[in-house]
Amino acid sequence: QLQLQESGPGLVKPSETLSLTCTVSGASISSSSYYWGWIRQPPGKGLEWIGSIYYSGSTYCNPSLKSRVTISVDASKNQFSLRLSSVTAADTAVYYCARHRYGSRWSAFDYWGQGTLVTVSS
Amino acid sequence: DIVMTQSPDSLAVSLGERATINCKSSQSVLYNSNNENYLAWYQQKPGQPPKLLIYWASTRESGVPDRFSGSGSGTDFTLTISSLQAEDVAVYYCQQYYSTPPTFGGGTKVEIK
Repeated sequence: QLQLQESGPGLVKPSETLSLTCTVSGASISSSSYYWGWIRQPPGKGLEWIGSIYYSGSTYCNPSLKSRVTISVDASKNQFSLRLSSVTAADTAVYYCARHRYGSRWSAFDYWGQGTLVTVSS
Repeated sequence: DIVMTQSPDSLAVSLGERATINCKSSQSVLYNSNNENYLAWYQQKPGQPPKLLIYWASTRESGVPDRFSGSGSGTDFTLTISSLQAEDVAVYYCQQYYSTPPTFGGGTKVEIK
């Protein structure tokens, strides 16, 4: 059974960089056709896709966040990571990692991690 | 970006009754090459991640009860819960995956009347 687990600091200071890692178990992150993504949800609000990465390192990012987002993959550890720079209180959210596919177009997100709350505060 | 608009924001339905949620996309999510609508529905219960219910607008994910059904094409879609159960209390989101960035609707909260 595929499982995804987010990890990282729960508190980040304004202007600093948020860093999270998603560990995948039950399947190889190098499985063909699958992209591994980050989605966030501010408290009490809706869902926003941040970006996704293929095991080869190919990435797609939301243009609204692209200048601040770095997504990387470590296939040897079956992990992928998110870095979001210059954070503000507006970046406070539950951050989820999830799986989807990309062929000519995307697929739905079929597996999700439990999510981790990151609060931006001094 | 494709904007996804859900209605209503919330609804209260009696147990055993039908619940209907609407989702409208700002442009068509029907891909003519394969005649598929790139539209998914998710269920999110408090403190949990979203759970995929339906993809391709009308295909139920494995294990999803058949009281959940999706319909629609192009820009207008509907999620129907045919007979509401207590465990269906949740927020439901539609999502388009036709283009980058994938985008979600604002959510519809379903409660028991």
